[in-house]
Amino acid sequence: AQKVTQAQTEISVVEKEDVTLDCVYETRDTTYYLFWYKQPPSGELVFLIRRNSFDEQNEISGRYSWNFQKSTSSFNFTITASQVVDSAVYFCALSEPDTGNQFYFGTGTSLTVIP
Amino acid sequence: NAGVTQTPKFRVLKTGQSMTLLCAQDMNHEYMYWYRQDPGMGLRLIHYSVGEGTTAKGEVPDGYNVSRLKKQNFLLGLESAAPSQTSVYFCASSIFTGQPQHFGDGTRLSIL
Repeated sequence: AQKVTQAQTEISVVEKEDVTLDCVYETRDTTYYLFWYKQPPSGELVFLIRRNSFDEQNEISGRYSWNFQKSTSSFNFTITASQVVDSAVYFCALSEPDTGNQFYFGTGTSLTVIP
Repeated sequence: NAGVTQTPKFRVLKTGQSMTLLCAQDMNHEYMYWYRQDPGMGLRLIHYSVGEGTTAKGEVPDGYNVSRLKKQNFLLGLESAAPSQTSVYFCASSIFTGQPQHFGDGTRLSIL
């Protein structure tokens, strides 16, 4: 079973629209960490945010915001007023430090922002 | 700071050949990871290390070996390359568990 599920394979939006990328995770650990990474067309992986399992506060950083809900095991990512530069593949990831220190990535969501 | 450096950036191998991918980090990170990225599969963990001299298997370890003789270096070896190992390989490091990973730029490996 997938530890991290990103059900949206590809999303296209028109510039200035808002878009939400979904991430659902599965873990039995009480302590865990969730991450979002961005992979632009140039190929590098860029860290966006880290959240630990004890901090359910939503976070906003400019046009980016994250909604962490333990009740639904989700960690969704919203881009407000999307721009062409947001076009990339976005990965959600889970770290379980108490059970082997492995990292689990979702399969990614490819976002295309159309000008 | 160079961060995480992967060598080489591109390589073409023939089936059965061997090679070693080198990952070097200059951030004094304890944890290092090797991933492969295939279309539609996301990043899958091959092997990882929680400190100098340690290694552990990830999700897809078969056909690969690793070594971490020095804290700053993490080597990924293919003893007998197979076409199924054609992929983009990423190395990453983190200061310790639960912290963000810093990624190298990737190695594109093709096996004919």
